[in-house]
Amino acid sequence: AQSVAQPEDQVNVAEGNPLTVKCTYSVSGNPYLFWYVQYPNRGLQFLLKYITGDNLVKGSYGFEAEFNKSQTSFHLKKPSALVSDSALYFCAVRDGGAGNNRKLIWGLGTSLAVNP
Amino acid sequence: DGGITQSPKYLFRKEGQNVTLSCEQNLNHDAMYWYRQDPGQGLRLIYYSQIVNDFQKGDIAEGYSVSREKKESFPLTVTSAQKNPTAFYLCASSMGQGTDTQYFGPGTRLTVL
Repeated sequence: AQSVAQPEDQVNVAEGNPLTVKCTYSVSGNPYLFWYVQYPNRGLQFLLKYITGDNLVKGSYGFEAEFNKSQTSFHLKKPSALVSDSALYFCAVRDGGAGNNRKLIWGLGTSLAVNP
Repeated sequence: DGGITQSPKYLFRKEGQNVTLSCEQNLNHDAMYWYRQDPGQGLRLIYYSQIVNDFQKGDIAEGYSVSREKKESFPLTVTSAQKNPTAFYLCASSMGQGTDTQYFGPGTRLTVL
């Protein structure tokens, strides 16, 4: 069965330090992987996605993510965290071999707190 | 939030009433989705539509209904059969192609009084 795990409910980092938000997945075919961010009482904003090609994907607001097939991971990273990065982050996956199935499988989210 | 609008932002309902949440997009997207978000449970898919006049049940469709009469619109009705409707409801749309990205509206917070 397809699944996504975000093993940390909350991540705390100091402003200016690098941040990592973890995501692991399980799909039967090649994965399509996504990261979204949600600020309080707002909709989700797309950050980046991996479909194929370079394992390091660069996205919005200075975020990047590294696809690791052997570890089935797609961790979100940023070299220097900002207080404004504090939000809820969601990882999602779609099975690339699922034909017309457009359904995404979502992680439960990781709350990121960046301390000044 | 792109070109997707949801209304109202806040909605209050008495038990036993049906309510309809609006979702409109001007992105010319073929596919549209409705999710429910509860604290600590992530996003759960209610219904989705890949083309006008067609839609499929998601993982938690019971107590909900949808229609897709126009490409731009995908309203969600929360019926009295939904036992615990208080939640944050998110609408999304995508081009409907193989690697497409879903884009989200700002959400509607429904509270049952």
